[in-house]
Amino acid sequence: GEDVEQSLFLSVREGDSSVINCTYTDSSSTYLYWYKQEPGAGLQLLTYIFSNMDMKQDQRLTVLLNKKDKHLSLRIADTQTGDSAIYFCAERSMDSNYQLIWGAGTKLIIKP
Amino acid sequence: ETGVTQTPRHLVMGMTNKKSLKCEQHLGHNAMYWYKQSAKKPLELMFVYSLEERVENNSVPSRFSPECPNSSHLFLHLHTLQPEDSALYLCASSQGVGTTQPQHFGDGTRLSIL
Repeated sequence: GEDVEQSLFLSVREGDSSVINCTYTDSSSTYLYWYKQEPGAGLQLLTYIFSNMDMKQDQRLTVLLNKKDKHLSLRIADTQTGDSAIYFCAERSMDSNYQLIWGAGTKLIIKP
Repeated sequence: ETGVTQTPRHLVMGMTNKKSLKCEQHLGHNAMYWYKQSAKKPLELMFVYSLEERVENNSVPSRFSPECPNSSHLFLHLHTLQPEDSALYLCASSQGVGTTQPQHFGDGTRLSIL
């Protein structure tokens, strides 16, 4: 079946760039999403990219999509302590009207 | 008012209790969702409502009973839950299902079953 995989943890120094990676298996994916979850909160939509795009940039966030390798990444420039959170990758498939397929989330840890 | 509001934020209940979770969205959306979030597991979609009609029920045990009285409100009625039901329950809404519009989430209800 469809699957989305992420590393569970990523540790970076404050001020460095963070790159959070995600791989998916469904070749019919249409949209891919990044959500952020801070402690005690729900999921906040950060950005999303359509599958016919290679890159999308929004301020400190850059999303890269490699459709051939089914690889999605989220780059956070100049990582700050406020970026500490769990980041979820999700895909919407053409085969599923309602369901997003979610990764288990990557916890971003910021070192001073 | 924030976009999607869930109450209560925390709930502790015994296995024989009956309680309800509430979700309200102020975004004018017409689709609402319940998710279960357990530690180190992907989000599990439980129920989907579109225009107040249930369109998805992902093999959820009958001890969870959803209700959607209008497009702004969604409830999850709980009875005789099990310890493995302890989790964060998230509500989300979107403009349409099967569209490209993203889902917007509430802050969740942290449920603990004694």
